Amino acid sequence: KAGVTQTPRYLIKTRGQQVTLSCSPISGHRSVSWYQQTPGQGLQFLFEYFSETQRNKGNFPGRFSGRQFSNSRSEMNVSTLELGDSALYLCASSWGLANYEQYFGPGTRLTVT
Amino acid sequence: KNQVEQSPQSLIILEGKNCTLQCNYTVSPFSNLRWYKQDTGRGPVSLTIMTFSENTKSNGRYTATLDADTKQSSLHITASQLSDSASYICVVFRILFSGGYNKLIFGAGTRLAVHP
Repeated sequence: KAGVTQTPRYLIKTRGQQVTLSCSPISGHRSVSWYQQTPGQGLQFLFEYFSETQRNKGNFPGRFSGRQFSNSRSEMNVSTLELGDSALYLCASSWGLANYEQYFGPGTRLTVT
Repeated sequence: KNQVEQSPQSLIILEGKNCTLQCNYTVSPFSNLRWYKQDTGRGPVSLTIMTFSENTKSNGRYTATLDADTKQSSLHITASQLSDSASYICVVFRILFSGGYNKLIFGAGTRLAVHP
């Protein structure tokens, strides 16, 4: 069974631009979560989608948004990029919410200049 | 305040030795606690998930313990291998029954280096 895939793997953007990251979950998984990882802050939870609905949300500004499609694929969008948005963005999928095990993708490395 | 603290911050051990990583949390209400292994440049991989009723759970050479009364967990690695060199992250899932968002709270991780 194929794992979680994320595209693109690497991205360089300029301040003020916007970016869209994509995540394809493991086949059959209906929950997709997004995380930001930086050396200073570690892993931080962005949001979780299940059956096309946002079910959980972390403490990030409204510039960070996401959506999930009917095939469970998910996209994350960051508008008006700031230097501090440079990070590894990880996507994880699971069969359901809460106690189900999550499987992480390799991440997208975003650099904002 | 809901927090997860891990110790030590970093650790160097020789191949073949055992080691124990610590995780203390103040998260409430508690749903489950997870240990992840993250190799450099890769996504985390789940090692164990423990609910409040579980005291010990093993995954090969990895054994996690949980004391829900003292809110402490540990991850014991037996007979370490060079491939165990990674960051180990403790995560606590906080579940809300009265509405609002559930939340995963992450520790900062322990960076383990296994030397030959």
